[in-house]
Amino acid sequence: AQSVTQLGSHVSVSEGALVLLRCNYSSSVPPYLFWYVQYPNQGLQLLLKYTTGATLVKGINGFEAEFKKSETSFHLTKPSAHMSDAAEYFCAVSPRGATNKLIFGTGTLLAVQP
Amino acid sequence: EPEVTQTPSHQVTQMGQEVILRCVPISNHLYFYWYRQILGQKVEFLVSFYNNEISEKSEIFDDQFSVERPDGSNFTLKIRSTKLEDSAMYFCASSEVGTGGPTGELFFGEGSRLTVL
Repeated sequence: AQSVTQLGSHVSVSEGALVLLRCNYSSSVPPYLFWYVQYPNQGLQLLLKYTTGATLVKGINGFEAEFKKSETSFHLTKPSAHMSDAAEYFCAVSPRGATNKLIFGTGTLLAVQP
Repeated sequence: EPEVTQTPSHQVTQMGQEVILRCVPISNHLYFYWYRQILGQKVEFLVSFYNNEISEKSEIFDDQFSVERPDGSNFTLKIRSTKLEDSAMYFCASSEVGTGGPTGELFFGEGSRLTVL
């Protein structure tokens, strides 16, 4: 069965600092990979996704993630944090060739300090 | 920009009561989903729906849950007899069908918070 592990339930960075949110997956076949963001009192919004092709994917708001098959990872990064990035971030996987069922990680709450 | 809309945004109910949560998916989408997030926990898949029938469901989605697409625009989740542990944020999502099958990208609504007392 596929699963997703997000290391660090809470991450705090200073404004302007690098953001690194970690995600590892467990699957016999590399799945589709996603990062979603949830701002307070809002729904889940897709940040970026990897399905095929280039392993470094760029998303909205300056975020990017790199699929590393050898490490079964899909870490999310942003070079310079902004106060508006404070939110909860969810990594998710979806089996290839199946339905769109998403399996979510437990989420990482990102705090940005001034 | 098209979006998934959900009503109500918050519902408080007594244990044992029936609850219906409503969703209007994006109009050209054909796959519909319900997920839930218990406070402090991860988002969990409940059910997916395609071509007027359930295509997949989780073990959480037991006999007290049902889904329906009563008309061409709404997608509902019914909980027949609510329990305290049903208190959660319920998210509706939809996706379009891509070439060769689902595209894998879900669009989520803002959620309906259910509180069972």
